Amino acid sequence: DSGVTQTPKHLITATGQRVTLRCSPRSGDLSVYWYQQSLDQGLQFLIQYYNGEERAKGNILERFSAQQFPDLHSELNLSSLELGDSALYFCASSGYSGGAYETQYFGPGTRLLVL
Amino acid sequence: DQQVKQNSPSLSVQEGRISILNCDYTNSMFDYFLWYKKYPAEGPTFLISISSIKDKNEDGRFTVFLNKSAKHLSLHIVPSQPGDSAVYFCAAGTGNQFYFGTGTSLTVIP
Repeated sequence: DSGVTQTPKHLITATGQRVTLRCSPRSGDLSVYWYQQSLDQGLQFLIQYYNGEERAKGNILERFSAQQFPDLHSELNLSSLELGDSALYFCASSGYSGGAYETQYFGPGTRLLVL
Repeated sequence: DQQVKQNSPSLSVQEGRISILNCDYTNSMFDYFLWYKKYPAEGPTFLISISSIKDKNEDGRFTVFLNKSAKHLSLHIVPSQPGDSAVYFCAAGTGNQFYFGTGTSLTVIP
């Protein structure tokens, strides 16, 4: 158990809909990262938050947004969903400074299926 | 554009033998490299890392080798154990952004 929790574990929705994925980092971790893993693809970095502020942005679509709240949990919002958004979404958290090369601890993921 | 590639989707090894997992990257600016292990229905777990100033890092049965000129890294597991059966992802990057390969599924046969 990494200490990172993600809810829900599974989500089935329809095209055009909007969903919110939730992540609680390990106790004390200030950084949260979001990744997408599509079928036969590696983990694609989406975005990082550190202590409530956006720190780094990867291949995140404009239809997707994220935020980190004062209690450090994070939410990833996916809107106008398309079939291709079906994937496993992972959240990870890391240590105290949000800096480079900190070990990231991954949650179990949320499996999203868009029908 | 895949900046990190793991060209072998799967690998089978006998228990007790060496497992060698390979990874190639394209960006010469990458200066930190990691391996993660993933079991089904779980998130990836950090295994071992190496910075670009080194060419080898060991942690118990796991050794990572880095060849910067070839932009290649490998993970050696010796001796392989059935519990090592999992998907292994390599990652490379710099700063806060890392790029992951597509993974190699390792099966260790008892």
